[in-house]
Amino acid sequence: GAGVSQTPSNKVTEKGKYVELRCDPISGHTALYWYRQSLGQGPEFLIYFQGTGAADDSGLPNDRFFAVRPEGSVSTLKIQRTERGDSAVYLCASSSTGENSPLHFGNGTRLTVT
Amino acid sequence: AQSVTQLDSHVSVSEGTPVLLRCNYSSSYSPSLFWYVQHPNKGLQLLLKYTSAATLVKGINGFEAEFKKSETSFHLTKPSAHMSDAAEYFCVVSRSGGYNKLIFGAGTRLAVHP
Repeated sequence: GAGVSQTPSNKVTEKGKYVELRCDPISGHTALYWYRQSLGQGPEFLIYFQGTGAADDSGLPNDRFFAVRPEGSVSTLKIQRTERGDSAVYLCASSSTGENSPLHFGNGTRLTVT
Repeated sequence: AQSVTQLDSHVSVSEGTPVLLRCNYSSSYSPSLFWYVQHPNKGLQLLLKYTSAATLVKGINGFEAEFKKSETSFHLTKPSAHMSDAAEYFCVVSRSGGYNKLIFGAGTRLAVHP
C-alpha cells in the first residue's frame, strides 16, 4: 500500500521567504510526527499530532515554525522568514495509534535556503 | 535526560564479514531503544526495538542487538555483511518509552566492499 508521502521532495527558497512542506500520512494513521535532519546529524523531533491537535510541539525551534493538521490527515509544516540555518531534510512519519506503534517515515523534503 | 552516542561515524567492512555498529545510551530510567536504517533517498526503516523483555533482540535482515545495562550499550551486529546493507544506521532512545519521543544518535555510515 501507499506509504507516507511528502511533497515537494526538494525545495529551494531565498532567505526571508515563506515555505510550506506537506505530508500525507498512511491512511487511517492517527499519529503524525515531524522531524528535522540537518547534514551529518540524526533526525530531531519537532512536533507530534494525535488527530487534529498538536500533542507535543516542544521540538519546534522558534515561533517561525508552525504546523497544522486541520482534518486529522494531511499535515503542513510552515516556516516563516526562512534562514540559511533552516536548510535540512524535513521528515514526516505516521503511526496507527502513537505511543506503541512503529513509525513509518516518508522520504523527506530537502529544504535549501539560499 | 536521555541521549545516545554512536561511537563510529563511519564503518567499512568487506562483504561476508561481521558487522558491529556501536551505541551507548544514557537514560535516567529503563529505556526503550531502537535501531533504524536509512538507505539513500529512502525513508527511515525500523530494524529492531528493545523494550525490557529479552536483552538480545532480533531484527530484520539478519541484524540483532544486545542490551547491556552494565555497559549502557546497545550495539548492532550482523554475522555476515551484504552489499545491500550499505546505509546510514541510527541508534535511537525513546524519552517516553514509546515511539512518539524519539532521540536519534548522529548516525553511523556503513560501507560494504566486495
